[in-house]
Amino acid sequence: GQQVMQIPQYQHVQEGEDFTTYCNSSTTLSNIQWYKQRPGGHPVFLIQLVKSGEVKKQKRLTFQFGEAKKNSSLHITATQTTDVGTYFCAETYNNNDMRFGAGTRLTVKP
Amino acid sequence: EAGVAQSPRYKIIEKRQSVAFWCNPISGHATLYWYQQILGQGPKLLIQFQNNGVVDDSQLPKDRFSAERLKGVDSTLKIQPAKLEDSAVYLCASSLAAVQFFGQGTRLTVV
Repeated sequence: GQQVMQIPQYQHVQEGEDFTTYCNSSTTLSNIQWYKQRPGGHPVFLIQLVKSGEVKKQKRLTFQFGEAKKNSSLHITATQTTDVGTYFCAETYNNNDMRFGAGTRLTVKP
Repeated sequence: EAGVAQSPRYKIIEKRQSVAFWCNPISGHATLYWYQQILGQGPKLLIQFQNNGVVDDSQLPKDRFSAERLKGVDSTLKIQPAKLEDSAVYLCASSLAAVQFFGQGTRLTVV
């Protein structure tokens, strides 16, 4: 079964509000990847975090990897309608197999 | 560069029928994955190929699902016979390193 748990399952925000999704694991992760899937689309790679406590930014998106490498977060500042979609975290294990979380579906009201 | 190509985009079949999906990965990508994504869930790995060899098929329901990548390039995934619960999007992905690039997927509806 899935080892990475994502919360919340759904998030509805007003355009301009911030958004955060969390990914938690009961075991230490070697790395974590984040993907975005637009409605009707396919997952698209956003970023990979490898180091304990790592923080990476992509414009309005901030990704964090916990100090114990058991959790990660994605924060979007001042959401826009183009941010709509489902955000997945995924852990890599074995021979680059990936285990995806259930995702957080973000909707943005203009 | 061209992305991962999948066909068909949509397929509707009756239960107990057979269906096959095709995937052409990004040129040069040795690793190819098939995922099943049920509505509202994250992608679930079915099988991973490294060139023409199977690396992991532990989550493939082998009584009805099969996949091959004979020449180490394109791949086919088959379901025979299909069940209602097989309705999902079947995604193919390829990778050179740790990052996976996904195709548009095939949306299968079993009625």
